[in-house]
Amino acid sequence: NAGVTQTPKFRVLKTGQSMTLLCAQDMNHEYMYWYRQDPGMGLRLIHYSVGEGTTAKGEVPDGYNVSRLKKQNFLLGLESAAPSQTSVYFCASRPGQYNSPLHFGNGTRLTVT
Amino acid sequence: GENVEQHPSTLSVQEGDSAVIKCTYSDSASNYFPWYKQELGKGPQLIIDIRSNVGEKKDQRIAVTLNKTAKHFSLHITETQPEDSAVYFCAAMLTSNTGKLIFGQGTTLQVKP
Repeated sequence: NAGVTQTPKFRVLKTGQSMTLLCAQDMNHEYMYWYRQDPGMGLRLIHYSVGEGTTAKGEVPDGYNVSRLKKQNFLLGLESAAPSQTSVYFCASRPGQYNSPLHFGNGTRLTVT
Repeated sequence: GENVEQHPSTLSVQEGDSAVIKCTYSDSASNYFPWYKQELGKGPQLIIDIRSNVGEKKDQRIAVTLNKTAKHFSLHITETQPEDSAVYFCAAMLTSNTGKLIFGQGTTLQVKP
């Protein structure tokens, strides 16, 4: 089982460029999440999805968009990248059962110059 | 919304000693409290979790305690080993169908041989 797979692993963007981060899970999980991790700030929730075709805002949604067209995939888009979006991005998924734990991917390190 | 505070930010112990990491949360309706361990270059992995109807849970050298009245919970690692060196995150889940998991800022644990 691959679990949660994130692509790409690394990316460098210039200010104003756009890109899409892909998250794929093969565990048939209902819920999916995008977090960003910055030094000293822990993991902050960007957007999440409670099922195919649904998305919702987290703690820090500005500058990002998401889509969940298929249950197994959750895409995070940056329309116009800014240096403040330099971070490590983690995708996670979990089953629909109450209080089930999150399963994380290994992250995407994004640098915006 | 929910806020989770974690202390200390860094912790250094000698191999064989115990380590304690503490977290407080703000939303009294939160009822699920997982702890994650993150090794360099990888995503966080669940090591133990506790639900609000339980005061303490133990798994070999790791234990978690929960004080609902004071709204704080702690991770205890006994007989620490060098492989315990990592970043540890506490988290709290809001009691709703969204399953939003809010993380603390993280603790970098160093176990010196």
